[in-house]
Amino acid sequence: SAVISQKPSRDICQRGTSLTIQCQVDSQVTMMFWYRQQPGQSLTLIATANQGSEATYESGFVIDKFPISRPNLTFSTLTVSNMSPEDSSIYLCSVEDREQLFFGSGTQLSVL
Amino acid sequence: AQRVTQPEKLLSVFKGAPVELKCNYSYSGSPELFWYVQYSRQRLQLLLRHISRESIKGFTADLNKGETSFHLKKPFAQEEDSAMYYCALKKGGSNYKLTFGKGTLLTVNP
Repeated sequence: SAVISQKPSRDICQRGTSLTIQCQVDSQVTMMFWYRQQPGQSLTLIATANQGSEATYESGFVIDKFPISRPNLTFSTLTVSNMSPEDSSIYLCSVEDREQLFFGSGTQLSVL
Repeated sequence: AQRVTQPEKLLSVFKGAPVELKCNYSYSGSPELFWYVQYSRQRLQLLLRHISRESIKGFTADLNKGETSFHLKKPFAQEEDSAMYYCALKKGGSNYKLTFGKGTLLTVNP
């Protein structure tokens, strides 16, 4: 099974700043996904990141706010830009491997 | 658009009692349904999927297309089953973009 390292595990940030979350996988995977889990809510897909192409964003999420990089088959970053308190959430990286999703441990972000 | 509903936010049972976590979905096509579980201080992981028709840790789930449900059941709950459970749907034929329910926190009391 794919093993995912996600960092940072948590951070407290000031309004208006940006945070980049890193996701490293121990094997080459085609699709990587970024999810958000707001307090008391379900996991919501932000975007799908495929290597060598632009990320595909879901409705309600835009590249300017959540730029994503996918430089190779084992790594991706998600940046939360110009943060506001409403961005306080858990952000999760996941990959598809052998017909199931594997998840990182998540990044708990608090914006003051 | 597809939707997954888990009507119970919290579910508390005693050890040895049967447990059923409810999941209903709305989707016009042929979905694939999953249950994911997150134990305390662990990451989210797959518990089971309907196409496998398997029993994992004593849990089973049957897809009922007539009732659009995929309830998770276990005849005798154990304390180690205490966790957050998420039902998820994948559109048939699509890549692994999942739609998740809001989750049910199961507590099994001794």
